[in-house]
Amino acid sequence: DTAVSQTPKYLVTQMGNDKSIKCEQNLGHDTMYWYKQDSKKFLKIMFSYNNKELIINETVPNRFSPKSPDKAHLNLHINSLELGDSAVYFCASSLRTGYFDEQYFGPGTRLTVT
Amino acid sequence: AQSVTQPDIHITVSEGASLELRCNYSYGATPYLFWYVQSPGQGLQLLLKYFSGDTLVQGIKGFEAEFKRSQSSFNLRKPSVHWSDAAEYFCAVGALQGNEKLTFGTGTRLTIIP
Repeated sequence: DTAVSQTPKYLVTQMGNDKSIKCEQNLGHDTMYWYKQDSKKFLKIMFSYNNKELIINETVPNRFSPKSPDKAHLNLHINSLELGDSAVYFCASSLRTGYFDEQYFGPGTRLTVT
Repeated sequence: AQSVTQPDIHITVSEGASLELRCNYSYGATPYLFWYVQSPGQGLQLLLKYFSGDTLVQGIKGFEAEFKRSQSSFNLRKPSVHWSDAAEYFCAVGALQGNEKLTFGTGTRLTIIP
């Protein structure tokens, strides 16, 4: 059983398009995250949600909008895609927030914008 | 704001040899420190973490790390590496500043030669 799953695994699209990445965790965790890993492997947090409530919102363009329909899902919608959005996006989850519990990462979604 | 430096971008070690990966952090208070490993094409997995107490921390897969406050370091060690240890290793520091956030270093790529 996959603990944290993401779809799609690969996403190739053109500039200006709108796309979504889905994330689901079956661990019963309260907290979920989105990270962006650039071509140099630098990993930076974008958002975190605790039980559907936004906790962390880093300085991310407002073209990126996370949505959490329930605490097991955290989707990432990106409007008007730009070349610089090309990266690997990781979803993660942890048991609770505020305790630095272990984060469980999904396999990543490689987004390529042409 | 907290930051993490991993001075070695790439390290090559012979199978069976010992390993030390360096990590230096910058944070005003007592840090929460982590080492994560990323195997090719996969998400990150927690190896170990330090919050307080004994400065030598044991993790999974035979890894350990030592917290040295005087040197602002949290180096990762393994006495004898296996070919399966080839991966990217990330050090991270956590800060509770209103919300819980991990700041990752830029990673060290470990290559194992026979």
